[in-house]
Amino acid sequence: GESVGLHLPTLSVQEGDNSIINCAYSNSASDYFIWYKQESGKGPQFIIDIRSNMDKRQGQRVTVLLNKTVKHLSLQIAATQPGDSAVYFCAENEDNNNDMRFGAGTRLTVKP
Amino acid sequence: NAGVTQTPKFQVLKTGQSMTLQCAQDMNHNSMYWYRQDPGMGLRLIYYSASEGTTDKGEVPNGYNVSRLNKREFSLRLESAAPSQTSVYFCASLRLPSGASSYNEQFFGPGTRLTVL
Repeated sequence: GESVGLHLPTLSVQEGDNSIINCAYSNSASDYFIWYKQESGKGPQFIIDIRSNMDKRQGQRVTVLLNKTVKHLSLQIAATQPGDSAVYFCAENEDNNNDMRFGAGTRLTVKP
Repeated sequence: NAGVTQTPKFQVLKTGQSMTLQCAQDMNHNSMYWYRQDPGMGLRLIYYSASEGTTDKGEVPNGYNVSRLNKREFSLRLESAAPSQTSVYFCASLRLPSGASSYNEQFFGPGTRLTVL
């Protein structure tokens, strides 16, 4: 079956550095992608999304890049802060249906 | 707005016991969802409700039932709990595209940590 996955299960960065979290997807029909942040003991929180007709979208300190050719998604966090420490995971969706598929997540640890 | 709320936060059951996980949202969303999250795996959809009065199975519905009591509330019931149902359960609701955004956005509750012994 088709799935959403992540390249790296853990990522450790120094405070102030930039972080890049990667995600691979296999459903070529997916047209909508989301990055979520999940802090310990809490539910997932929407960070940023991107539609398949775009290859880049920027938010506050975050940028999502989409490469449809290789079915790859990345989340870039600028000037990473201790409060960014969390699990980040991507999700994909096709045609705004109810079948959102989630990756397992990458744990980001920010060292002071 | 409280957003999406879930009760209880924690629960320990013995095999064979039953219980209901409660979820409510105050954002007037039509669609609501129940997911389970297991270590090393992504969220998996158990059931969803596209609107009041309708429910549909997701990826892993076996061993669960749901009730969409009204627009606000969507409960998940385990009739006879099994150790394989030990997990963290998340409820979510969906905001449809609006003038501010052309995309769907899911809002999640804080989760219920369930252990079945």
